[in-house]
Amino acid sequence: DAGVTQSPTHLIKTRGQHVTLRCSPISGHKSVSWYQQVLGQGPQFIFQYYEKEERGRGNFPDRFSARQFPNYSSELNVNALLLGDSALYLCASSHGPAGGDTQYFGPGTRLTVL
Amino acid sequence: ELKVEQNPLFLSMQEGKNYTIYCNYSTTSDRLYWYRQDPGKSLESLFVLLSNGAVKQEGRLMASLDTKARLSTLHITAAVHDLSATYFCAVDEDRTYKYIFGTGTRLKVLA
Repeated sequence: DAGVTQSPTHLIKTRGQHVTLRCSPISGHKSVSWYQQVLGQGPQFIFQYYEKEERGRGNFPDRFSARQFPNYSSELNVNALLLGDSALYLCASSHGPAGGDTQYFGPGTRLTVL
Repeated sequence: ELKVEQNPLFLSMQEGKNYTIYCNYSTTSDRLYWYRQDPGKSLESLFVLLSNGAVKQEGRLMASLDTKARLSTLHITAAVHDLSATYFCAVDEDRTYKYIFGTGTRLKVLA
């Protein structure tokens, strides 16, 4: 079975641009969560979606938004990029809402903002 | 705000030795997760602990949860080089659907 997939693998943008990251969950999983991992730190929770509804939001500015589609895939959008947005963006999927359920992580998208 | 702290942050140990990584968290939760991350790679789920007193073991790793002390431990028995990685604990904040990860423990097992 295919695991969680993310695209693109790597991305280079300049300050002020917009970026869209994509995630496809494991087949049968209805929950997708997004995390930002800066080098040398633990992942920071950004959003969780379950059944196409936002169930959780971390402490990120409104420049960050996401959505989940009817096929449970998800997009993370970041507007007005800043240098500090450079990070590994991880998507994770689980069967149900993340509470108490194992999350399976994708390989990540490495975003570099110049 | 929920905080999750791990110690030590760095751990260098000899093959064959035992050691414990500690994960403390600051608010009520009875759900704790351990993950492994190899350099440049994504996270791999190791253990899911869902109640006070939960203990799980896989190979040379054993994890436990004490929700009253707000403490989880990851015990390594007879370490081998393949265990070299960064280990994260994460806590699922009650009724918020937010996962909060710890600072990570970078483990290096020396031959």
